[in-house]
Amino acid sequence: QVQLVQSGAEVKKPGASVKVSCKASGYTFIAYYMHWVRQAPGQGLEWMGWINPNSGGTNYAQKFQGRVTMTRDTSISTAYMELSRLRSDDTAVYYCARDRATAMDKGDLDYWGQGTLVTVSS
Amino acid sequence: QSALTQPASVSGSPGQSITISCTGTSSDVGSYNLVSWYQQHPGKAPKLMIYEVNTRPSGVSSRFSGSKSGNTASLTISGLQAEDEADYYCCSYAGSSTSSYVFGTGTKVTVL
Repeated sequence: QVQLVQSGAEVKKPGASVKVSCKASGYTFIAYYMHWVRQAPGQGLEWMGWINPNSGGTNYAQKFQGRVTMTRDTSISTAYMELSRLRSDDTAVYYCARDRATAMDKGDLDYWGQGTLVTVSS
Repeated sequence: QSALTQPASVSGSPGQSITISCTGTSSDVGSYNLVSWYQQHPGKAPKLMIYEVNTRPSGVSSRFSGSKSGNTASLTISGLQAEDEADYYCCSYAGSSTSSYVFGTGTKVTVL
């Protein structure tokens, strides 16, 4: 069965970076785009971007351009999202989510990781 | 790219039908048939309920249906059940603007 398992909670100081991992299993990792979505406490969902695990190509929301880097390691079927220059308003649960479409992005996110809480506090 | 507009809350009694609206613009909802809907229970990850406006993934109850007219998409839940109480979010493709995808503001569904 398809599973996305994310790394554990992180506490970071303002200005630091965080790298969240998302290990995929139960399907062909390189065949499906991986999206990252975040949710601040008590707030709604916010799309951050996607990575094409096959080519490594990425597409980031303009809001995060210059601060976010999405990568992957196909040998271990794992996607990563690194966010730098953290601020207090980056405190959120970060989710990885698989696009349902094969080899393209349609934004139909059919499998989600369990979420990783990133807390930014001095 | 601004978030899509959803009502903050919708409520209904068991067995009733409710509809959640999701209003965007001609740059997102109005231009693409790539609207999806997600259900999120407290402390849980979102779950895909509808994709590409009106298609249900395997395993999702037929009580959930989606539609779109102009710049507004809608999710209808018929035969409301206690387990439908959750937050619901729409999401639309927005082209190559500031954000390729934009989520709605979210709607809290309460079963009375």
